[in-house]
Amino acid sequence: DTGVSQDPRHKITKRGQNVTFRCDPISEHNRLYWYRQTLGQGPEFLTYFQNEAQLEKSRLLSDRFSAERPKGSFSTLEIQRTEQGDSAMYLCASSLILGSTDTQYFGPGTRLTVL
Amino acid sequence: AQSVTQPDIHITVSEGASLELRCNYSYGATPYLFWYVQSPGQGLQLLLKYFSGDTLVQGIKGFEAEFKRSQSSFNLRKPSVHWSDAAEYFCAVSSNAGKSTFGDGTTLTVKP
Repeated sequence: DTGVSQDPRHKITKRGQNVTFRCDPISEHNRLYWYRQTLGQGPEFLTYFQNEAQLEKSRLLSDRFSAERPKGSFSTLEIQRTEQGDSAMYLCASSLILGSTDTQYFGPGTRLTVL
Repeated sequence: AQSVTQPDIHITVSEGASLELRCNYSYGATPYLFWYVQSPGQGLQLLLKYFSGDTLVQGIKGFEAEFKRSQSSFNLRKPSVHWSDAAEYFCAVSSNAGKSTFGDGTTLTVKP
């Protein structure tokens, strides 16, 4: 396994611009998660997919955020009209659900800075 | 709702000394529990996990953790800390639905 990869690793943007992040999960993992982490905090759940279906979205995920996983493989997270409060590390994790157990493996994250 | 408390924001230990990082969780059913480590600017690496069975679980890098249902705790331990263990440590709880709830982390500093 090559692990979970995320692109880009860093993104600097101006307020009001749109940004899109990509996550490639571990091959054959059927679940994919997005989390957001701000300085001094633990990761906060945003949303997750099982295959291509988006099964849950956090209330943290405002209308400006949208995530897709069109073919059940890679996923994208788009933030429209970015705000300074969106500055954070965006983490992706994937897992292979087996019965009732689910171990998430994290990527290196995308650090977003909104100026 | 599930929640995790890591009471110690920052811990400093001397190299070679033993380590215990505390984690308390709140969850209505049998929890799935995890410890992750994060180096600055990096993602999270899984150290160990508890799903069921033996309450003492072994992980990578010489870490272990003990699940105590009566105390709602899942403390992480290491008998002898190395300078390379300096990092931030996160405890997490999840249901079988998969979504994880994390604590705010404990930063470990290792003194030479």
